[in-house]
Amino acid sequence: NAGVTQTPKFRVLKTGQSMTLLCAQDMNHEYMYWYRQDPGMGLRLIHYSVGEGTTAKGEVPDGYNVSRLKKQNFLLGLESAAPSQTSVYFCASSYSIGAGSGYNEQFFGPGTRLTVL
Amino acid sequence: GDSVTQMEGPVTLSEEAFLTINCTYTATGYPSLFWYVQYPGEGLQLLLKATKADDKGSNKGFEATYRKETTSFHLEKGSVQVSDSAVYFCALSGGTSGTYKYIFGTGTRLKVLA
Repeated sequence: NAGVTQTPKFRVLKTGQSMTLLCAQDMNHEYMYWYRQDPGMGLRLIHYSVGEGTTAKGEVPDGYNVSRLKKQNFLLGLESAAPSQTSVYFCASSYSIGAGSGYNEQFFGPGTRLTVL
Repeated sequence: GDSVTQMEGPVTLSEEAFLTINCTYTATGYPSLFWYVQYPGEGLQLLLKATKADDKGSNKGFEATYRKETTSFHLEKGSVQVSDSAVYFCALSGGTSGTYKYIFGTGTRLKVLA
């Protein structure tokens, strides 16, 4: 049981290049999330998915696209990287919960450190 | 909208000192509250949680009590160890943002000296 895995762990891009970050989970979770972590800003939600084939915008979606073609995978794409996208990116997943369950725990991957020059 | 405010760090303590990291929140309804911990080079992991007012979450010697009257969820530990050095995030879910989305604070870095 690997939990949540992310590839790659590190990447350096030049401005204008594109790349895809892959997140995979083996816990059969319905919900998946992409966050970015910047100094002094905490974690900010980029996009999320509540099930296979669905995606939705989070707090800071501009410049990113996502896809959830398989339940276990959630891809984050940068079509034209900019220096402002230099950050650490975290993927997370969680169970779906029924009404009144009160909470769900998010499980995080180890992160991808992206530098855009 | 919902928000979480936690004390800025870094917090530097000697081993066996008492720790408090303050967290307050703004949310409508009845959110659940969490503390997550991030060790160097790793992702976040759940430390403790509380799902309703007056609940006390506890784990690994850390405690936090859900205080609805003061909208607070302060993290405490009676005697910190060097291994507690990490970044601590307060978070909520279940307010206006919905039960499956989290709102995180900015994180507080704790450094414990031997």
